[in-house]
Amino acid sequence: SAVISQKPSRDICQRGTSLTIQCQVDSQVTMMFWYRQQPGQSLTLIATANQGSEATYESGFVIDKFPISRPNLTFSTLTVSNMSPEDSSIYLCSVDRERDGYTFGSGTRLTVV
Amino acid sequence: QQQVKQSPQSLIVQKGGISIINCAYENTAFDYFPWYQQFPGKGPALLIAIRPDVSEKKEGRFTISFNKSAKQFSLHIMDSQPGDSATYFCAASMRSTGANSKLTFGKGITLSVRP
Repeated sequence: SAVISQKPSRDICQRGTSLTIQCQVDSQVTMMFWYRQQPGQSLTLIATANQGSEATYESGFVIDKFPISRPNLTFSTLTVSNMSPEDSSIYLCSVDRERDGYTFGSGTRLTVV
Repeated sequence: QQQVKQSPQSLIVQKGGISIINCAYENTAFDYFPWYQQFPGKGPALLIAIRPDVSEKKEGRFTISFNKSAKQFSLHIMDSQPGDSATYFCAASMRSTGANSKLTFGKGITLSVRP
């Protein structure tokens, strides 16, 4: 299956600051997906990132709060901006490859204090 | 509107028993139905997936049963082991559409397998 590396694996941040999460895939993929998993909850899609175009955001998520970059077919970043304690979650990137299905990184555990 | 509904919310099974988790969906355009296993501190790992042209798929101790008319699918874990204790998520997507192929997840259930 696809190998996905996420950085950082965890961080503790002050409210009002921003954190950029990196996602690196071991092969080229068309779409990369960013999810949020709040404590004890399921996964909620934040946005879909296509290379060369603006990311598509789900209802309830906006670009100013969660800007995404997708500079090439193996890499993407998600920034969590102007953080508040409510942003404390696990953030996961995911890709879909036909033979492997949807694969997830190990996640970034964010705590905002 | 919750498009993918899981039941039960939690499950306790004795070692060696069968764990059964159910999932119901609403969108008939869904064409890909995976199950994920997640351990604390880890990302979800794909267990097994099925497409609607197949009624059952088995991989080792894991079996998906799919009922298209009822819009339901289930995960059966045979000979359940304590190491199977984890959170399980069902999901669905319109995978063949490409641009709209995002995964929609159920709420997840916590499985505990007692020794």
